[in-house]
Amino acid sequence: EVQLVESGGGLVQPGGSLKLSCAASGFTLSGSAMHWVRQASGEGLEWVGRIKSKANSYATAYAASVKGRFTISRDDSKNTAYLQMNSLKTEDTAVYYCTRLVGSSFAFDIWGQGTMVTVSS
Amino acid sequence: DIQMTQSPSSLSASVGDRVTITCQASQDISNYLNWYQQKPGKAPKLLIYDASNLETGVPSRFSGSGSGTDFTFTISSLQPEDIAIYYCQQYDNLPLTFGGGTKVEIK
Repeated sequence: EVQLVESGGGLVQPGGSLKLSCAASGFTLSGSAMHWVRQASGEGLEWVGRIKSKANSYATAYAASVKGRFTISRDDSKNTAYLQMNSLKTEDTAVYYCTRLVGSSFAFDIWGQGTMVTVSS
Repeated sequence: DIQMTQSPSSLSASVGDRVTITCQASQDISNYLNWYQQKPGKAPKLLIYDASNLETGVPSRFSGSGSGTDFTFTISSLQPEDIAIYYCQQYDNLPLTFGGGTKVEIK
């Protein structure tokens, strides 16, 4: 079965750090750009950032709201992408989804189940 | 950033009704638009890509149209399992942006 599984969410204090993982199964992640999208409770979807494939130099890009605090990486040998979150703020509280971008259509065709991150003292 | 404005924000319709959702981009995005369905507690699911192409396995009652700044998403005959929030999303430019969502309910 083709799927993405996120892990690493939890409760963290403001100013703290957390690293999310996104493990792919049923397909090889290496050829795909991987994105992170978040959703605060009762709110819409917000794009967080992306990392391209090795063929595209692992180029990263981020939303202004997280730039300088969040870092996306990947380990293709482990078929896993990561989201390192530093200097967390209460407004970062959300469900975080990893998702695969299909290069041919530039659409997110596979999504993880989401992992909850709560930033609170 | 490209702003995506969806309307209505919510709607209530009867089973079998035709449902239409619009999405307007703040600038020309050609056909670089996707539509997703999100059910409660679940991840979004891709329905339509490149404004009008139906994703494999998605029922044909779903369709999309438009280009430039104005786009339409249609459910030709609403079914009970279509209760969800629908989002448009542009990929013309970073940051990728989503519309605010349209909540579809059964009357």
